[in-house]
Amino acid sequence: NAGVTQTPKFQVLKTGQSMTLQCAQDMNHEYMSWYRQDPGMGLRLIHYSVGAGITDQGEVPNGYNVSRSTTEDFPLRLLSAAPSQTSVYFCASSLGALGGNTIYFGEGSWLTVV
Amino acid sequence: AQSVTQLDSHVSVSEGTPVLLRCNYSSSYSPSLFWYVQHPNKGLQLLLKYTSAATLVKGINGFEAEFKKSETSFHLTKPSAHMSDAAEYFCVVSSNAGGTSYGKLTFGQGTILTVHP
Repeated sequence: NAGVTQTPKFQVLKTGQSMTLQCAQDMNHEYMSWYRQDPGMGLRLIHYSVGAGITDQGEVPNGYNVSRSTTEDFPLRLLSAAPSQTSVYFCASSLGALGGNTIYFGEGSWLTVV
Repeated sequence: AQSVTQLDSHVSVSEGTPVLLRCNYSSSYSPSLFWYVQHPNKGLQLLLKYTSAATLVKGINGFEAEFKKSETSFHLTKPSAHMSDAAEYFCVVSSNAGGTSYGKLTFGQGTILTVHP
């Protein structure tokens, strides 16, 4: 099983550029989410989805867009990159949204905006 | 609403001595609680989770945690530290019910564990 796969692993962007971080899972999980990790702040939720066609905002959604057209894929789009979006991004999935379900994380995507 | 506080940003121990990483939480609903470990430049790996069954939870690599509702705590322990335990550890809370916390994990700020030879 591949689990949760994120691409790219490393990316450098110029301010104002747009890009998409890809996330795919092969576990037929309904719940998927994106987090960003910044030093001393743990992981903060950007957007999440409880199933295909359903998305919602998390704690820090500004500057990011998501869609969920299939159960397997949950891409994260940066519309116009800013230096404040330099971070490590993690995609996660679980069988359901409620507590108790084990959450599986991707390996992370290191993004630098210059 | 839910929140997590990891009481120590850094913990340093000697190899072979006990490890204690402290976590307090708050949750409007019955919570599920997790501990994750992150080694440098790696993703997050689940150590253990509490989901309203036994209050003492055993995880991988000799770690365990005890859910104490009266103290709203979920501290992570290990009897004897190993060099390979050096990493960052995150305490995480998730709601078991609806409301504004539905579908959301809340992470603590992380505790960096250093293990000295």
